[in-house]
Amino acid sequence: DSGVTQTPKHLITATGQRVTLRCSPRSGDLSVYWYQQSLDQGLQFLIQYYNGEERAKGNILERFSAQQFPDLHSELNLSSLELGDSALYFCASSVDRYGGTLGNTIYFGEGSWLTVV
Amino acid sequence: EDQVTQSPEALRLQEGESSSLNCSYTVSGLRGLFWYRQDPGKGPEFLFTLYSAGEEKEKERLKATLTKKESFLHITAPKPEDSATYLCAVQGTGANSKLTFGKGITLSVRP
Repeated sequence: DSGVTQTPKHLITATGQRVTLRCSPRSGDLSVYWYQQSLDQGLQFLIQYYNGEERAKGNILERFSAQQFPDLHSELNLSSLELGDSALYFCASSVDRYGGTLGNTIYFGEGSWLTVV
Repeated sequence: EDQVTQSPEALRLQEGESSSLNCSYTVSGLRGLFWYRQDPGKGPEFLFTLYSAGEEKEKERLKATLTKKESFLHITAPKPEDSATYLCAVQGTGANSKLTFGKGITLSVRP
């Protein structure tokens, strides 16, 4: 158990709908990351938040948005869903000692399976 | 832009048959190279972090090594329970600490 909690585990929804995925990071971790994993693309970085502020954006569509709340949990909002959005969405967290020279280990949750029909 | 290439895409081994998985990378400045194991439908499970060329780390039947351009994950006398996808990722020296992943190597160990 990595300590990163994601809900829901599975979600089936129709095209055009909107869903919210929730993530609770490991205790003490300030950074939250969202990744998308599909069969043909592998793990793709979407967005990172650090202590409530957006730090980095990856290949995140305009229909997707995220936020990190004062208690450090995060939500990923996916709207106007299309069939191609079906994927595993992972949340990950790290302590992220910004400015440090050593890498910050990033721990992943078990993911939210999204199926768009 | 950081890039990671893993090879081969898939590897089938007999139980006890040792082998190595390759990860080639390009990054502007390496903060860390990470190996993860992922079982089907599960989240990536952290295995190792390597920080500089020449560094090695071991855990049970796994040993990770790092050069300036590549990392290898050596699997000694694998067992069927080692079957999984092994992911390599790099973290660069930028303002953010995101990981850039390779597509993974699917390892299957036959009893």
